[in-house]
Amino acid sequence: DGGITQSPKYLFRKEGQNVTLSCEQNLNHDAMYWYRQDPGQGLRLIYYSQIVNDFQKGDIAEGYSVSREKKESFPLTVTSAQKNPTAFYLCASSTGQGETQYFGPGTRLLVL
Amino acid sequence: AQSVTQLDSQVPVFEEAPVELRCNYSSSVSVYLFWYVQYPNQGLQLLLKYLSGSTLVKGINGFEAEFNKSQTSFHLRKPSVHISDTAEYFCAVTEGNTGFQKLVFGTGTRLLVSP
Repeated sequence: DGGITQSPKYLFRKEGQNVTLSCEQNLNHDAMYWYRQDPGQGLRLIYYSQIVNDFQKGDIAEGYSVSREKKESFPLTVTSAQKNPTAFYLCASSTGQGETQYFGPGTRLLVL
Repeated sequence: AQSVTQLDSQVPVFEEAPVELRCNYSSSVSVYLFWYVQYPNQGLQLLLKYLSGSTLVKGINGFEAEFNKSQTSFHLRKPSVHISDTAEYFCAVTEGNTGFQKLVFGTGTRLLVSP
């Protein structure tokens, strides 16, 4: 079955720790995205990538980093510089502009 | 920059009643519009989308939406809701025909269907 997988489902971060959220897709999509979801605020774009080895900052990139070494994978690292990381993180992919973005099941990040 | 307004944060409705979830976007020459549904602790699933052509768009689960350019609206409707429609609904917009543009989401409307 084609789709997007995110792991882990729940992730706990300690103070000062970097954590990495995984996102993998087997839809052969060029574009991939990371969103952060907070209650009452909808989805906000963190980073996006149109092709392999290229990515751009979204609206709230501070405290986050990404890489796009393979078409299928777009991991997100939440660094210690992100002071309020508790949120639901959603990864998506699409074939490109105007096309449907398909979402993964999400990762909930909690701070210990 | 594009923006999306979903005026209703929560819409309570009885089962089998009709429902309309409102969405307005900031004006642009050409836009693509989407409605997504999110069930608790899950990702988003596409309900329907408008790219061009007929302004009445039909989607999954009996939902439909109408694109109104003069009112810059894309309201979502269902003539008879079920308990299983209880979820959060997001309207989203991206500019068309101008190269790669990000998808901008509204803040969501929680639909609560009761028996």
